[in-house]
Amino acid sequence: SQQGEEDPQALSIQEGENATMNCSYKTSINNLQWYRQNSGRGLVHLILIRSNEREKHSGRLRVTLDTSKKSSSLLITASRAADTASYFCATGDYKLSFGAGTTVTVRA
Amino acid sequence: EAGVAQSPRYKIIEKRQSVAFWCNPISGHATLYWYQQILGQGPKLLIQFQNNGVVDDSQLPKDRFSAERLKGVDSTLKIQPAKLEDSAVYLCASSLDPGLAGFGEQYFGPGTRLTVT
Repeated sequence: SQQGEEDPQALSIQEGENATMNCSYKTSINNLQWYRQNSGRGLVHLILIRSNEREKHSGRLRVTLDTSKKSSSLLITASRAADTASYFCATGDYKLSFGAGTTVTVRA
Repeated sequence: EAGVAQSPRYKIIEKRQSVAFWCNPISGHATLYWYQQILGQGPKLLIQFQNNGVVDDSQLPKDRFSAERLKGVDSTLKIQPAKLEDSAVYLCASSLDPGLAGFGEQYFGPGTRLTVT
């Protein structure tokens, strides 16, 4: 079974708006990762956040982690058409488990 | 640096036929993974190699799937015989040796889209 579950399943926003998606997981973790998958391509690693971190930034990405609630969020600010993709959270130290992903569509 | 290479990119076969996928990981990456991604789902780990050895193959349907990693570099994944439900994208990924906190980021290849008719 998959560890992480993303919410919402799909998201449609206007270019320039922010996009937020959430990930919930079931068991304790040492780190959580976010990946992006453009249509028909492999996954690209976006960010890794460790259990002792609460927030991490990378360019227009902001990830938060709340271990007490077993949840994480990914915020994309000032979205662009190129951000149209599926976003997955993944947990596991030695074996990654992926959620089903959030599909983000950025409208021009 | 060169990324993870996979071939072929697309494959269409009939059920009961066999098929093989090839993966070349990033140079120096000891760990190699094969994932199956069914449409609308996240990737599911099939098998994980650490150098030549298998670390985890608990979700590999061993009656029809097999994988090998000779010399700790390239890897092949084979399906024989294929079923309709094997239609999916097969992703290969690699990563560096794990640290104390486990494996870090994984680098994915473009995948092979398999259609079984």
